[in-house]
Amino acid sequence: QVQLVESGGGVVQPGTSLRLSCAASGFTFSNYGMHWVRQAPGKGLEWLAYDGNNKYYADSVKGRFTTSRDNSRNTLYLQMNSLRVEDTAVYYCSRDRHPWYSDYWGQGTLVTVSS
Amino acid sequence: QSALTQPPSASGSPGQSVTISCTGTSSDVGGYNYVSWYQHHPVKAPKLIIYEVSKRPSGVPDRFSGSKSGNTASLTVSGLQAEDEADYYCSSYGGTNNLLFGGGTKLTVL
Repeated sequence: QVQLVESGGGVVQPGTSLRLSCAASGFTFSNYGMHWVRQAPGKGLEWLAYDGNNKYYADSVKGRFTTSRDNSRNTLYLQMNSLRVEDTAVYYCSRDRHPWYSDYWGQGTLVTVSS
Repeated sequence: QSALTQPPSASGSPGQSVTISCTGTSSDVGGYNYVSWYQHHPVKAPKLIIYEVSKRPSGVPDRFSGSKSGNTASLTVSGLQAEDEADYYCSSYGGTNNLLFGGGTKLTVL
């Protein structure tokens, strides 16, 4: 069965960096695009990035966050730089199904940016 | 681009029907049939319940249905059950290689 497991979250200070991972199993990872989505405390879902044949980013993270993948390890990454307090959220990865929806999601990993 | 607009809350008694709206613009919801809906129980992974406006993934009960008129998409949950109590999010292709989500609607089963 399809499984997506995020990891790498934690408590970090503003201005620092963090890399999240999303380990995929149960499907041919290289055949699918993937999304990163986050949910800040008490807020709704916010799309961050798409990683596939091309990479796309939300304006809110463009230039600070970078998505990448290692198909040999079936793993998706999100490199987050210059973190801000407002980046505090649960970060999810999801599997893309064209056009522009996700059929499987991970349980998320919590990132807290605080001094 | 701004998030899509959803009512913050909705409610209904068991067995009743509830409709949740999702309003965007002609550049997103109104411009493409790429609207999807997700059910999200706290501390669980979001679950896809509707894609491409009105299509249901296998395993999703036919009590869940989707539609669209102009710039507004709707999710209807018929025959409400206790386990339907959750947060519901709409999503739409934003038109410029981006994805938009609604603010979410908390559905309460009375």
